[in-house]
Amino acid sequence: GAGVSQTPSNKVTEKGKYVELRCDPISGHTALYWYRQSLGQGPEFLIYFQGTGAADDSGLPNDRFFAVRPEGSVSTLKIQRTERGDSAMYLCASSLAGEVTGELFFGEGSRLTVL
Amino acid sequence: GDSVTQMEGPVTLSEEAFLTINCTYTATGYPSLFWYVQYPGEGLQLLLKATKADDKGSNKGFEATYRKETTSFHLEKGSVQVSDSAVYFCALTSNTGNQFYFGTGTSLTVIP
Repeated sequence: GAGVSQTPSNKVTEKGKYVELRCDPISGHTALYWYRQSLGQGPEFLIYFQGTGAADDSGLPNDRFFAVRPEGSVSTLKIQRTERGDSAMYLCASSLAGEVTGELFFGEGSRLTVL
Repeated sequence: GDSVTQMEGPVTLSEEAFLTINCTYTATGYPSLFWYVQYPGEGLQLLLKATKADDKGSNKGFEATYRKETTSFHLEKGSVQVSDSAVYFCALTSNTGNQFYFGTGTSLTVIP
């Protein structure tokens, strides 16, 4: 498909478990973003990749959260020792390199529920 | 730090009514401003944008003007339709970085 793809669309896990969320950006987009959206709130920035490197990870809430993008395309957001407060919609977006004033293209998100 | 404040919802309007959703911002430098929309069951998508003061962004009958003097970017539409029912997010990105800052969203329901 031509859009940003996120999997899984829904993930239910137990407190303390490890979770991986995957994002496949639009082909050719070198910038990739992860956001977290809680119910009734706007997207909250987590991390931004330019190519393979994390250019800005200042939004990651703590060291249980980690993200990688080893080949500059697909990215995985990893959450260790999940807590109930991690329950949210996790959004991925991509954009063309250098397009600071450009458009973000969002996926439909991965909804994480921690029981 | 940079931030966006938008009017709280939910907003319910009758079809063909006039819509205004207020958005104000705080930013260093000269931000670019955006409105994103999220239709039910879909991902966020760009509605319109303005990259410098006094620019007007427009799309699908919606408009917003970048007002530096009032630090605002209010969204307007003269005649809403049922299909405009969605959640609308105001956002900005600073020219000093690549972070986008989003408001909390305003839910709009248009009834026939």
